[in-house]
Amino acid sequence: ETGVTQSPTHLIKTRGQQVTLRCSSQSGHNTVSWYQQALGQGPQFIFQYYREEENGRGNFPPRFSGLQFPNYSSELNVNALELDDSALYLCASSSRTGASYEQYFGPGTRLTVT
Amino acid sequence: SQQGEEDPQALSIQEGENATMNCSYKTSINNLQWYRQNSGRGLVHLILIRSNEREKHSGRLRVTLDTSKKSSSLLITASRAADTASYFCATDSGTSYGKLTFGQGTILTVHP
Repeated sequence: ETGVTQSPTHLIKTRGQQVTLRCSSQSGHNTVSWYQQALGQGPQFIFQYYREEENGRGNFPPRFSGLQFPNYSSELNVNALELDDSALYLCASSSRTGASYEQYFGPGTRLTVT
Repeated sequence: SQQGEEDPQALSIQEGENATMNCSYKTSINNLQWYRQNSGRGLVHLILIRSNEREKHSGRLRVTLDTSKKSSSLLITASRAADTASYFCATDSGTSYGKLTFGQGTILTVHP
């Protein structure tokens, strides 16, 4: 167990709908990164939040957005869902205050878009 | 896009045997990390090797890094059935803190 939690565990949505996924970072971590993992693929970086601001973004359209709160927890929002958005969404927390580059991943949210 | 390519895509061995997985990447890196994933759940960090290191050990794990060939290998010695999982290498270029670029992974099956 890494101390990173995500909710919900599973989610089924219809194409065109909007979804919000949540992540609570490990105690003491101030940075949250989000990844999308399609079936049979490695995770792909969506974006990262540090001190409540987006700090780096991968090759994802603007309908993928996020928030980070003062307690460092984070949300991932996806608008106008498409079938290809079906994937495992992982968040990872880390701390910039130390020399460690290690990221701690949550168990993920499995999103199915029908 | 995937930075790393892992080889093999799948590996099936008997308990007690060694398992070797390879990872190649395309751009310069700050560090390379290996993760394990069980049954499509969260990733577990195994080991990190920095670009100025050539080999690193952690328990039954041995990782090597060859920056001239842009490749890394993960060796699991004396494998156990509990090692059955997907293994991913991930590179950190150092240009954007915490942005990891993952390979497609190797599925390891260890038969009891």
